Amino acid sequence: DTEVTQTPKHLVMGMTNKKSLKCEQHMGHRAMYWYKQKAKKPPELMFVYSYEKLSINESVPSRFSPECPNSSLLNLHLHALQPEDSALYLCASSQDPTPAYEQYFGPGTRLTVT
Amino acid sequence: GEDVEQSLFLSVREGDSSVINCTYTDSSSTYLYWYKQEPGAGLQLLTYIFSNMDMKQDQRLTVLLNKKDKHLSLRIADTQTGDSAIYFCAEVLNYGGSQGNLIFGKGTKLSVKP
Repeated sequence: DTEVTQTPKHLVMGMTNKKSLKCEQHMGHRAMYWYKQKAKKPPELMFVYSYEKLSINESVPSRFSPECPNSSLLNLHLHALQPEDSALYLCASSQDPTPAYEQYFGPGTRLTVT
Repeated sequence: GEDVEQSLFLSVREGDSSVINCTYTDSSSTYLYWYKQEPGAGLQLLTYIFSNMDMKQDQRLTVLLNKKDKHLSLRIADTQTGDSAIYFCAEVLNYGGSQGNLIFGKGTKLSVKP
């Protein structure tokens, strides 16, 4: 099983809303990632959790707040977003954060901020 | 620098071979990946190659690595219409050797004509 699931598949939210994106994997992976992908662009790394601890934050604005409640779950809490935050948000996981392990991606959540 | 370069478009006829090229910049990259993204979907890991290899073959896919020129290619034999997608090359950016994060190229859109 190499599946990473993400919910919801689509999300439309206003700039004053608070919402959360969820990601789940049951492969026993200990590294989980959030990426942002704008249209016609490659994914860009936002956050890395390694063994349930935030290890990398690529200078992401505080209106994005990640959370890793346990080794299988990764959330991204959204608050006071801007229209330019509209994008496909991809979650990924790997067995370990070291370079030797490939990352498996979920299908993404397509977010539209109105 | 951290730029991974790819040509943006490739068009082939069904049954022909496709070759997608990529150049990367980090000579210390130990793993190089190819991902496939269909419209509206997440990224699917196709294959990867370790930097001490010159070639890797996996069914219809052949990866060639020229480490001296930092050039990577993906050959798809007997290309089918289902292969139409965007193909991303990615290198692992090492954070002090203990953690590797993916840097993606801009993606090559492969169109397969019947």
